[in-house]
Parts: sequence; C-alpha cells; structure tokens
Amino acid sequence: GAVVSQHPSRVICKSGTSVKIECRSLDFQATTMFWYRQFPKKSLMLMATSNEGSKATYEQGVEKDKFLINHASLTLSTLTVTSAHPEDSSFYICSASRVAGNPYNEQFFGPGTRLTVL
Amino acid sequence: GNSVTQMEGPVTLSEEAFLTINCTYTATGYPSLFWYVQYPGEGLQLLLKATKADDKGSNKGFEATYRKETTSFHLEKGSVQVSDSAVYFCALSENSGGSNYKLTFGKGTLLTVNP
Repeated sequence: GAVVSQHPSRVICKSGTSVKIECRSLDFQATTMFWYRQFPKKSLMLMATSNEGSKATYEQGVEKDKFLINHASLTLSTLTVTSAHPEDSSFYICSASRVAGNPYNEQFFGPGTRLTVL
Repeated sequence: GNSVTQMEGPVTLSEEAFLTINCTYTATGYPSLFWYVQYPGEGLQLLLKATKADDKGSNKGFEATYRKETTSFHLEKGSVQVSDSAVYFCALSENSGGSNYKLTFGKGTLLTVNP
C-alpha cells in the first residue's frame, strides 16, 4: 500500500509552453502533498507544501506564479510549470502523507518527472 | 536554517563488506531524522527513522543512531548485498509553521555493491 504515481515520467517541451505534472496517491487519501525539485548531484529541494482544499505554501525563492500547484482532491495534486524556460529543466518529485501535522508520519514519494525545456 | 550534510560518494563496495555513510545535521530545534533509499527507476522509500536523541532506527540490516552530542545520524550495515545498490538520502523533519512539517535532505550518496 501507499503508492504514489506521477505522470508523465518524462516530458520535453518548447520554451514558452506550459507543462502540467500530475501526482496521485493510488491507495490512500493524501491530506498533504509536497513538491520537490532535484538538480544533478544536488539534494531534493522542497518547492511547496499543499493541503487539500487550501492554497499551497511556497518555499522562499519559489515563484508561485511560475509553479502553479493545485490540490483539489485527496488523491490528486498537479504542478503546472508556466511559460517554461530551459532553466526550469529538472527532475520534479512529489510526495504525499496521510495525516497533516504529524511529524513522524511518513511521506510516500512518487517516481519523479524529468522535464526538459528546449 | 536547518541543513543536512552527508558524504557524497559514490561508494563502491564488494558484497558482504561493511557500510558506513556519514550524516551530520544542523537544526535549531529537535528534529526527527530519517534515511531514505532510492532504487534505480523508483521513488524514494523510507528506510529507517529516529525521533529523539539516542534512538536507534533499524530496517533490513541497516542501522542509524540519533546522536545529539555530535549532531549525527550515520547509516551502517554489517554486510551489504548487491541488492542494496541505490542512492541513500539522509533527512531531517522540522515544523515549518502551523501544522506543517517539511523534510530537509542531504545530497544523497550513491552506493554500488559488486558481486
């Protein structure tokens, strides 16, 4: 149990276009979902935290108008990279947890989405 | 702010060798500590955790002890297997305000175990 999927696994797009990445919890209800970005040989950097039905909380330095996050249901969160540019090319990973506010609650991670902007 | 530093590797070992991956942290409060593992082509999985000082987390032969005095959480395994080849991430959990908690990760250590 506790499987998280991401779609697509890989996407290539032209500069200036928008790309949507989906994150789904397949067998549990995710009250909180997290979006991370991973650069080569770098750690995962938290971009934002979203609780179902409320606006996402973005980390310092992350442009909320550039990276739109929607968490409309307990099993789905989406990240939209708007007007993508080559510097947005990266590996994007989502995670989900069952219970909000529990520091020991495990986050279940998706397999990631490789975005390449030409 | 909080941070996690782990040995970057890559680490290459022969099967049945002893493994240590060092991890130290900086935190303002009393974080929980974690090791995550990412097998090729898969998402991160929780390997083990420790929630307070002197706790020892263990799973699948791996162990790590929460050392507050040295702010460390080193990962060890007495005898590695080829199937342990993966990237290992050390992480800490902190309250980010309200009821939200977030993970701060180290850069990851690639482990390759040869038969």
